[in-house]
Amino acid sequence: DQQVKQNSPSLSVQEGRISILNCDYTNSMFDYFLWYKKYPAEGPTFLISISSIKDKNEDGRFTVFLNKSAKHLSLHIVPSQPGDSAVYFCAALRVYSGGGADGLTFGKGTHLIIQP
Amino acid sequence: EAQVTQNPRYLITVTGKKLTVTCSQNMNHEYMSWYRQDPGLGLRQIYYSMNVEVTDKGDVPEGYKVSRKEKRNFPLILESPSPNQTSLYFCASSLLATGGSPLHFGNGTRLTVT
Repeated sequence: DQQVKQNSPSLSVQEGRISILNCDYTNSMFDYFLWYKKYPAEGPTFLISISSIKDKNEDGRFTVFLNKSAKHLSLHIVPSQPGDSAVYFCAALRVYSGGGADGLTFGKGTHLIIQP
Repeated sequence: EAQVTQNPRYLITVTGKKLTVTCSQNMNHEYMSWYRQDPGLGLRQIYYSMNVEVTDKGDVPEGYKVSRKEKRNFPLILESPSPNQTSLYFCASSLLATGGSPLHFGNGTRLTVT
């Protein structure tokens, strides 16, 4: 049972426009949501995160929106640049009251292609 | 430079021949983890470790072992590799296991088992 879903395997966006990557989850107990970016032949790198108690977090060109009632989050990239072409993974984490946590649960990824 | 180092980057082996993929981090991170990436399946967690001598199974632990005898090292052991373990493996670490501390990933180990 997939708890974190990225239903679009790929997305093509023109340079300068907004890229919107979507992610849905099923476990309402997740406490944090994170986005990772991955280039070929490299490991994923952390991009931005959001706590479940917030609905928006912004860092430069990247903004993550969280809609808890819909169990949906999205990553907005504005404006999109050629270097943004990569695979983007959505991930979720549950933290327990003792301070421990399960590992990150990842979606399958969305390949973003920025066209010139 | 702060980093997670995996070795080797590429490995081809035969069914049943024991192998170890090493992982080392120089950031004094408490939390370490192994993931495998397969086409159409994304990243799936194999094992993780909250601290020295503490390891737990992830989502796909079958066929794998780990150990955490020192804080900086977290080797992945395949006692008897099988072709279904052909995959791209990533080691990762973070300061803490909580969400405020993002994972740092190594560059991956591509394993082929024939």
